[in-house]
This record gives sequence, structure tokens and C-alpha cells, in this order.
Amino acid sequence: ETGVTQTPRHLVMGMTNKKSLKCEQHLGHNAMYWYKQSAKKPLELMFVYNFKEQTENNSVPSRFSPECPNSSHLFLHLHTLQPEDSALYLCASSQVGGGASRANVLTFGAGSRLTVL
Amino acid sequence: DQQVKQNSPSLSVQEGRISILNCDYTNSMFDYFLWYKKYPAEGPTFLISISSIKDKNEDGRFTVFLNKSAKHLSLHIVPSQPGDSAVYFCTTNAGGTSYGKLTFGQGTILTVHP
Repeated sequence: ETGVTQTPRHLVMGMTNKKSLKCEQHLGHNAMYWYKQSAKKPLELMFVYNFKEQTENNSVPSRFSPECPNSSHLFLHLHTLQPEDSALYLCASSQVGGGASRANVLTFGAGSRLTVL
Repeated sequence: DQQVKQNSPSLSVQEGRISILNCDYTNSMFDYFLWYKKYPAEGPTFLISISSIKDKNEDGRFTVFLNKSAKHLSLHIVPSQPGDSAVYFCTTNAGGTSYGKLTFGQGTILTVHP
């Protein structure tokens, strides 16, 4: 496996379900991110992890709970979501340290398309 | 309030001609700018970037121009090829410790016709 891998690619869940999105990066990067793309809206940053520590929570509701057990894996735990949370959730990674040209070049996964019924 | 705007949702260009994608931003703190492109069913991929200390950066067929006084960014693709057909996102970053915290435009769908 190379790059950033996200599973599942598609997920349908009810509002009372609990599910998780998984992300794995094989690039040796030290920062990982969750972004969200809702219909007709730009990609929005949700969370940033640097060396496994959460350094950014972009005012995300608590029904989204991230977890970063090591610098290669990132999870997004989902519970009691709303239909308006239906979106494409993108995981990304980058190498922080060494200048903006590296830190801001994110490698994205293909995304997990979430539908909340 | 959208800080990064790509006012053209779509652009159609003939193969071999120039494609010009435009982007405007409002926050003068932004100092690093990037373009990503996205094919269907794939994540965005990095294309080209420019620092605010420059006004032009070129990489093969792709050139990004930055006009800081106008808070305007553009991407030129010449010559355009059918494989360039994708969604193009303009993104910015405020520098410093805000690495990776990119603010995205809504994207422009580029279609290059053979």
C-alpha cells in the first residue's frame, strides 16, 4: 500500500448508529488531518494531529470524535449523527518541519462518502 | 463568509489552448498559496504552490501568478490537454504554525475538449 488509504469508501448509517472511519498513511509523515466536503461547500478543516497530538479542533461538534493512536493511523468515530452530516470525509497527511513547502503539501486519501439517514 | 473564492464554477477549453483559472482571497494574512486538482473518486492532489514573496512560479505546463495587492491568484495551463480535465481547488494558508490548515475555494471544473 502506498499513499493515504481510507476505509470504508462508502458508509450509510442511521442517526443512532456508531461507526468509525479509518485512515492510514504509508508516507512516514508526522501530521494527519480530517477535512470535510459537504455538497456545494468548500473543503473544511476539522482536526489536525501533529506527532499524535491534536493541535486543532475547528469547532467540530462532539458527535465527531477523532483518535490518533500513532502517526500512521487516524480514526474518526461517529455517533448520533444528523442527516446534514452526510458528506465526503477526507483524510490527509503531511510532513511538518522543513518549511511551508512541505508542511502544506497534503497527500489526501480518496475519501469516505458518508450518508446519514 | 468565504475567504477564498473561485468565481467560475466551470471552464471549457479546447485542447492545445491556454486554461486560466482564477482565485480571489480576502485575508491579507494568507502567505502561502497552493493549487490542487481532483479527479472523480480520488482525493485532491497537489499541483503547484507559491509563496507570498514571489509573484510567479512555473512547473512545466503549469504557472501560478500571485498579485498580492489585488489579492488574486491565477493558474495557467498551457498547452491544455484532455487529461487536465478535473476539479481545480485554490487553497491558502496563513503561515507560521498554521501548516496544513488550508482554506479551500469551492473549485473550478475544467473540461479540455480534444
